[in-house]
Amino acid sequence: DGGITQSPKYLFRKEGQNVTLSCEQNLNHDAMYWYRQDPGQGLRLIYYSQIVNDFQKGDIAEGYSVSREKKESFPLTVTSAQKNPTAFYLCASSMGQFGRTQYFGPGTRLLVL
Amino acid sequence: DAKTTQPPSMDCAEGRAANLPCNHSTISGNEYVYWYRQIHSQGPQYIIHGLKNNETNEMASLIITEDRKSSTLILPHATLRDTAVYYCIVPPPNNAGNMLTFGGGTRLMVKP
Repeated sequence: DGGITQSPKYLFRKEGQNVTLSCEQNLNHDAMYWYRQDPGQGLRLIYYSQIVNDFQKGDIAEGYSVSREKKESFPLTVTSAQKNPTAFYLCASSMGQFGRTQYFGPGTRLLVL
Repeated sequence: DAKTTQPPSMDCAEGRAANLPCNHSTISGNEYVYWYRQIHSQGPQYIIHGLKNNETNEMASLIITEDRKSSTLILPHATLRDTAVYYCIVPPPNNAGNMLTFGGGTRLMVKP
């Protein structure tokens, strides 16, 4: 069963804590993306990766970090520098460098305690 | 990016066709029109895309005007499960990064 999985579905962060959101795909896609969505808003790009061991900042990368050590995995760390992390985080993947048909995971909702 | 304009919300009766319009008057010749939808609390789902010709797949039809300045997404027989926010996107052709800009979209409410 091919697709994108994200875990956990809900995540709670304490002040000053780093948390890592998981994203895994078995679609053999080259490119992967992280988006943030605030209530009632559209999606904003945080980071993207077109190939293993390479990634680029999106529009709102401050306070976030990523790694791409394996083709199928693209974890996102929300660091303590991100002052307003409460949001819905979506991971996506696409074939090729300019693939615009993106397949999205179910999302992780991050809440700050 | 070519800017897109969509109505913020629409209603449709269950079983009827839902016609969702999108204006993209600044679109250039090699830019595609993409449609995605997002059901509440889920990730967006790709629906269809097109360049010039009308397109149809198992989910929907896409009608693009001859001048390409507007398009219409058609759900031929809307069901309650089609209630979602529908996004019309025109990504720049060679922008690898910020290639999908999700704006406000149209909130479609399918009613029994």
